[in-house]
Amino acid sequence: GAVVSQHPSRVICKSGTSVKIECRSLDFQATTMFWYRQFPKQSLMLMATSNEGSKATYEQGVEKDKFLINHASLTLSTLTVTSAHPEDSSFYICSARDLRAGGPNTEAFFGQGTRLTVV
Amino acid sequence: AQKVTQAQTEISVVEKEDVTLDCVYETRDTTYYLFWYKQPPSGELVFLIRRNSFDEQNEISGRYSWNFQKSTSSFNFTITASQVVDSAVYFCALSEAQTDSWGKLQFGAGTQVVVTP
Repeated sequence: GAVVSQHPSRVICKSGTSVKIECRSLDFQATTMFWYRQFPKQSLMLMATSNEGSKATYEQGVEKDKFLINHASLTLSTLTVTSAHPEDSSFYICSARDLRAGGPNTEAFFGQGTRLTVV
Repeated sequence: AQKVTQAQTEISVVEKEDVTLDCVYETRDTTYYLFWYKQPPSGELVFLIRRNSFDEQNEISGRYSWNFQKSTSSFNFTITASQVVDSAVYFCALSEAQTDSWGKLQFGAGTQVVVTP
């Protein structure tokens, strides 16, 4: 089956620094990837839709200047948390849509997630 | 607007008991997809099932079974003869079927299942 790899799995950074998280589709091309955020003991909330070769679409309430998304190739999307603060500490997880089978009845595969702690 | 409700925050059972997780959804779309995922303490999401809105057949996979009832907008999940390894948070999710929206999931709040020996 398709595999989505997310890196790093865990990161601790100092307040005010930036952190980059990578999401790669390993054996398929993903024109669209999704970034979710999960605070402790809460559900996953969609942050943004990453589209290859174009600007990301952010959900309401998500600061696009703080969460920079780049989807420069068909296999890689990156999420950069800029000027991170302790309240940005969360679990970030990406998913990639595999359209090889054609049509909507295809899988959305998730990465392993990145646990970000800002100190 | 889409909405997924998992009213049960936490369910505790003793090993070998059955446990049923409720999921109720709202959508204006006639074509949509429903999912269940398992999230163990390590955090990764483990895909369990995808069901499209036109397929109301119940499904059984080993100790897992799903009951999809479109009339009540419910997609419930039952674990039979629970085991300690089933302890995790379980999420129900909904996705529209339009190409642009496909893969964009609306998750429920999740249900923590605790199975004790």
